[in-house]
Amino acid sequence: SQQGEEDPQALSIQEGENATMNCSYKTSINNLQWYRQNSGRGLVHLILIRSNEREKHSGRLRVTLDTSKKSSSLLITASRAADTASYFCATAPGNRDDKIIFGKGTRLHILP
Amino acid sequence: DAGVTQSPTHLIKTRGQQVTLRCSPKSGHDTVSWYQQALGQGPQFIFQYYEEEERQRGNFPDRFSGHQFPNYSSELNVNALLLGDSALYLCASSPGTGSMKTQYFGPGTRLLVL
Repeated sequence: SQQGEEDPQALSIQEGENATMNCSYKTSINNLQWYRQNSGRGLVHLILIRSNEREKHSGRLRVTLDTSKKSSSLLITASRAADTASYFCATAPGNRDDKIIFGKGTRLHILP
Repeated sequence: DAGVTQSPTHLIKTRGQQVTLRCSPKSGHDTVSWYQQALGQGPQFIFQYYEEEERQRGNFPDRFSGHQFPNYSSELNVNALLLGDSALYLCASSPGTGSMKTQYFGPGTRLLVL
């Protein structure tokens, strides 16, 4: 079963613009993670935010977490062609610290 | 330092056959997790191995089994293949268990069942 659900399913923006993706989940969590996947290959871990954190930055990435709304957002600023990929949120359910559950992903396409 | 490697990269099987996929973790990692990713979907957790034992399992039938060797490498076995088993199979390694440990993914094995 998949707990996280990303929104939108697909997003196309011009290079240089900012891209925002959202993730909603159903149960309490220990942490939430964002991953990137290029062309159906392996996933790359981008950032992890703990349940007691509200915002986290890493380079051009900004992640927010609202546990009261059970939602998170990933902002990519000043997008580049190389950012074209699928982005997944993954949650670690509060009762099972080891397992992470992925959403269906947002397919981001950066237009030149 | 080699990352996570998987073999083979692609595989074609017919219904009813059995398949074995292999994974070598990143150097220094002792925990291996396996995921199944159907086309257009997110990865689904199959199981995790640590200290040569299956620690956790997702919602997959017993046809899916695995093994971890003393050198931390791992195998995923699928018996009695079904058409619905066609997917990208991803292996991820981490330095220990727990969701706070960053998982490093391999490039995957693409399995097609005819």
